[in-house]
Amino acid sequence: GQNIDQPTEMTATEGAIVQINCTYQTSGFNGLFWYQQHAGEAPTFLSYNVLDGLEEKGRFSSFLSRSKGYSYLLLKELQMKDSASYLCAVRSFTGGGNKLTFGTGTQLKVEL
Amino acid sequence: DADVTQTPRNRITKTGKRIMLECSQTKGHDRMYWYRQDPGLGLRLIYYSFDVKDINKGEISDGYSVSRQAQAKFSLSLESAIPNQTALYFCATSATLSGANVLTFGAGSRLTVL
Repeated sequence: GQNIDQPTEMTATEGAIVQINCTYQTSGFNGLFWYQQHAGEAPTFLSYNVLDGLEEKGRFSSFLSRSKGYSYLLLKELQMKDSASYLCAVRSFTGGGNKLTFGTGTQLKVEL
Repeated sequence: DADVTQTPRNRITKTGKRIMLECSQTKGHDRMYWYRQDPGLGLRLIYYSFDVKDINKGEISDGYSVSRQAQAKFSLSLESAIPNQTALYFCATSATLSGANVLTFGAGSRLTVL
């Protein structure tokens, strides 16, 4: 089976940097995604990592270490609108094809 | 207009009633999915379809059925709703040729079963 762990809640200050961690255990790893979900809204795609290393996209960066089963999402220059839930999702290849499993999400609160 | 449209957005029903949630998309994607989201449990896959003639069960398909009426339409039915099916339901799409297979979600359908 698969197990994905991420902190339930985090609080950070506007303008600061925050790192949201995600650890996973899976066989047949085939990519890791981060989605952002504002309260009552649809999840939206932020980033995708399939190889080790850092992917940077504006204020958001995502890092992956396949050997450690670890990823983080780094948010810089935090803004109030970044208050949302951040979902880590792991794709794995099984005999029947690819399977995507979501973590329970990290609720980020950005304060003044 | 939204790329992925779900109807209804909110529905309150009673135990035993039949409910259909509808999803349509204008992205031209071949793959469509139904997820449910519950507090503390994350998104869980109910059913998915890779094309009109392809229907597959996800991890929590019991009590649900689906129909892929066209490439752009994928509906989810609860034949006899029960209270523990109260949840937020999301339809999503993705394209086969996209290496990352990124999901595009609809706005969600909040279902309450009394």
